[in-house]
Amino acid sequence: SQQGEEDPQALSIQEGENATMNCSYKTSINNLQWYRQNSGRGLVHLILIRSNEREKHSGRLRVTLDTSKKSSSLLITASRAADTASYFCAASDRGSTLGRLYFGRGTQLTVWP
Amino acid sequence: GAGVSQSPSNKVTEKGKDVELRCDPISGHTALYWYRQSLGQGLEFLIYFQGNSAPDKSGLPSDRFSAERTGGSVSTLTIQRTQQEDSAVYLCASSPKTGTDTQYFGPGTRLTVL
Repeated sequence: SQQGEEDPQALSIQEGENATMNCSYKTSINNLQWYRQNSGRGLVHLILIRSNEREKHSGRLRVTLDTSKKSSSLLITASRAADTASYFCAASDRGSTLGRLYFGRGTQLTVWP
Repeated sequence: GAGVSQSPSNKVTEKGKDVELRCDPISGHTALYWYRQSLGQGLEFLIYFQGNSAPDKSGLPSDRFSAERTGGSVSTLTIQRTQQEDSAVYLCASSPKTGTDTQYFGPGTRLTVL
């Protein structure tokens, strides 16, 4: 399987704390993307980091990428109850020109008020 | 502009019936993807369209599954002789062009096969 794998599977924190989620993947990538899903419905794209980038920021989100370890992390700073959702990493396979994404099983984040 | 839309939002059917799921991608997006998500699982790739052609059908789980896209826009995923294991949320996504772009997802269709 070339799916990504998120770690941990579930994370429970208090508002204001930081949340860190990790992702490992098996393929060589063009980029790695993080998505958020509320209530098992549509996914919302959060951030994309390219294979030649090591760190990227977007608002309260910070993503790192280590291609030598085939891993990425997503940090959400100063978490809010509204951040409660499932978070998925998706690896874009370098061997494919078709844009196929390989998703992990996700991390369920719960932020308590 | 409008995002990706899918219909119906929920579908309950009896085992053995055929179902059609519809996806309207963002206008102008040439790439369209179908995924399936079973309860508590990640997304399973089903099929990809570039324009009206489907260069990658490798994810379709059986020959009961088929999909088409017409006019480079709307796509329909058809499941024939549905089985209980087909119960899942079916998600459609589109992106501006082929390659490695961000994918924009619809809200999904929740299929329940009784």
